[in-house]
Amino acid sequence: AQSVTQLGSHVSVSEGALVLLRCNYSSSVPPYLFWYVQYPNQGLQLLLKYTTGATLVKGINGFEAEFKKSETSFHLTKPSAHMSDAAEYFCAVSTPSGTYKYIFGTGTRLKVLA
Amino acid sequence: NAGVTQTPKFQVLKTGQSMTLQCAQDMNHNSMYWYRQDPGMGLRLIYYSASEGTTDKGEVPNGYNVSRLNKREFSLRLESAAPSQTSVYFCASSEAQRTYNSPLHFGNGTRLTVT
Repeated sequence: AQSVTQLGSHVSVSEGALVLLRCNYSSSVPPYLFWYVQYPNQGLQLLLKYTTGATLVKGINGFEAEFKKSETSFHLTKPSAHMSDAAEYFCAVSTPSGTYKYIFGTGTRLKVLA
Repeated sequence: NAGVTQTPKFQVLKTGQSMTLQCAQDMNHNSMYWYRQDPGMGLRLIYYSASEGTTDKGEVPNGYNVSRLNKREFSLRLESAAPSQTSVYFCASSEAQRTYNSPLHFGNGTRLTVT
């Protein structure tokens, strides 16, 4: 069975600093990996996804993530944080195992300090 | 484009009352889902419908029922609400019948409080 672990339920960075949100997964088959962002009082929006091919994936709003099979990781990064990046971020894994569902991590709330 | 629309946005129930959460999507998606979001627990799947006419249990189905009324609409019913069902409920849809490589599109949620 697959699982997702997000390290750090809260992360604070200064405006202009590097954003690094960590996600590790467990899967017995090649996974598909996703990052979603949730702004206050809204639903989740897709930031980026890895399915197959290039391991460095670029998403919206300057975010990117790298799939590292050897480390079972899919960390989310952004070179320079902006105040508008303050939100909650969810990593999710899905596998072609016929279960028709994602497994979400517990989320990381990003705070950006002026 | 409306995307995924959920109603109501907020609801307060007393223990034992029933209610139905409504969800509709206008993207012609095949699959629809109901999740609940609780602090520190991420999103947990309640029920899903891979295609019109089919529904299946997710991780936390107890106390809920669903109806896939047509391709657009997927409702969630609480027959006898309990305080443990206080949560934020999200409906989502995806294009493919097999979710694993198709992103989810979410509604804005229903905030339910059961007293």
